[in-house]
Amino acid sequence: GAVVSQHPSWVICKSGTSVKIECRSLDFQATTMFWYRQFPKQSLMLMATSNEGSKATYEQGVEKDKFLINHASLTLSTLTVTSAHPEDSSFYICSAMVGGWYNEQFFGPGTRLTVL
Amino acid sequence: GQQLNQSPQSMFIQEGEDVSMNCTSSSIFNTWLWYKQDPGEGPVLLIALYKAGELTSNGRLTAQFGITRKDSFLNISASIPSDVGIYFCAGETSGSRLTFGEGTQLTVNP
Repeated sequence: GAVVSQHPSWVICKSGTSVKIECRSLDFQATTMFWYRQFPKQSLMLMATSNEGSKATYEQGVEKDKFLINHASLTLSTLTVTSAHPEDSSFYICSAMVGGWYNEQFFGPGTRLTVL
Repeated sequence: GQQLNQSPQSMFIQEGEDVSMNCTSSSIFNTWLWYKQDPGEGPVLLIALYKAGELTSNGRLTAQFGITRKDSFLNISASIPSDVGIYFCAGETSGSRLTFGEGTQLTVNP
């Protein structure tokens, strides 16, 4: 149980285009989903917290107009990288929180974005 | 912002050896977590620590939450080749937001 999927697993796009990444909780309803970014050989950095039906909360320094997050249901959150540039190339990972006392986050397998 | 200092950055050990890594922070965290990440995958939770001073085991893994809530260590006993990967500590603050350490790359030679 507690499986989180991401789609696509990798994507290559041209500079200036937009890319949408999906995060789904497959066998549970997630009260909250998180989006992280990880550059090569670096740690995971939290970008934003996404709650179903409400606006996402972005971490300091993360442009909300560039990284659009939509959390339309308890099992789906999407991250859209708008007007992507090469410096946006990274590994994007989502996590979904089950809730309850332990509030454990389950991580997706990540999406590798390469912007040419 | 909050930072977690994790050490060592990398370790090269022989199969069967024990491993120890630790994290320190200038900030207090409510919960301390240890994750393992394989290449091209998301992190997987190994151990969660909720109380200051708590010592928890999960198979060959043992972790402790420091009394001050500002540090933690992870020990792996009798390492095996599948222990290879990157280990991250993470501190949890309000809203279940996680701050990750820089990671420890573990290599196990058979």
